[in-house]
Amino acid sequence: DVVVTQSPDSLAVSLGERASINCKSSQNILYSSNNKNYLAWYQQKPGQPPKLLISWASTRESGVPDRFSGSGAGTDFTLTISSLQAEDVAVYYCQQYYYIPRTFGQGTTVEIK
Amino acid sequence: EVQLVQSGAEVKKPGESLKISCKGSRYTFTNYWIGWVRQMPGKGLEWMGIIYVADSDTRYSPSFQGHVTISADKSNSTAYLQWNNLKASDTAVYYCARQGDSQALDSWGQGTLVTVSS
Repeated sequence: DVVVTQSPDSLAVSLGERASINCKSSQNILYSSNNKNYLAWYQQKPGQPPKLLISWASTRESGVPDRFSGSGAGTDFTLTISSLQAEDVAVYYCQQYYYIPRTFGQGTTVEIK
Repeated sequence: EVQLVQSGAEVKKPGESLKISCKGSRYTFTNYWIGWVRQMPGKGLEWMGIIYVADSDTRYSPSFQGHVTISADKSNSTAYLQWNNLKASDTAVYYCARQGDSQALDSWGQGTLVTVSS
């Protein structure tokens, strides 16, 4: 299986400050034929199902605030929250969807400092 | 808005069988893949497998192959996850989710809590 590793496991950020989460895939997930990275980011709040934030490594879903952005290519990716809001407290997961099984990272907990 | 509604919580004993469901609405159910994701208590997300509803083409994670069966009923717009021999370690919340046009999981069910205890 492709191993997806997130760092850090948790982080505490002050309101209005930037939060960054890294995601590393053990295999390249850039498909050269369409130049797309098969990487998604999800947000999960307590007691709720996950919510898709970003697909193709950097494409925000409709309705997702623009303070969320994704970047990276190949094996290394980053989710950035440019100005943390109270409602952003959650666990964030990345997932590669190039290979079967479509593996998730272990999750990163974002809290308010 | 796409909707996936899952069946209710279940309490079972080890060795028993179980089939949980995920009913889709407000989109053409047969045109998409439906995936299943496990979340054990206090843990992360685990991808179990996926089914293309139109022809029941199914792919499993090796970690779950042989222990669960994924199926779908086109006529009822419903996908299923089934066990024939539950274990205590199957205790978890199970989510179904649609694999959208981006190929990521773009719509999720509310989750089904399965508790296996003697």
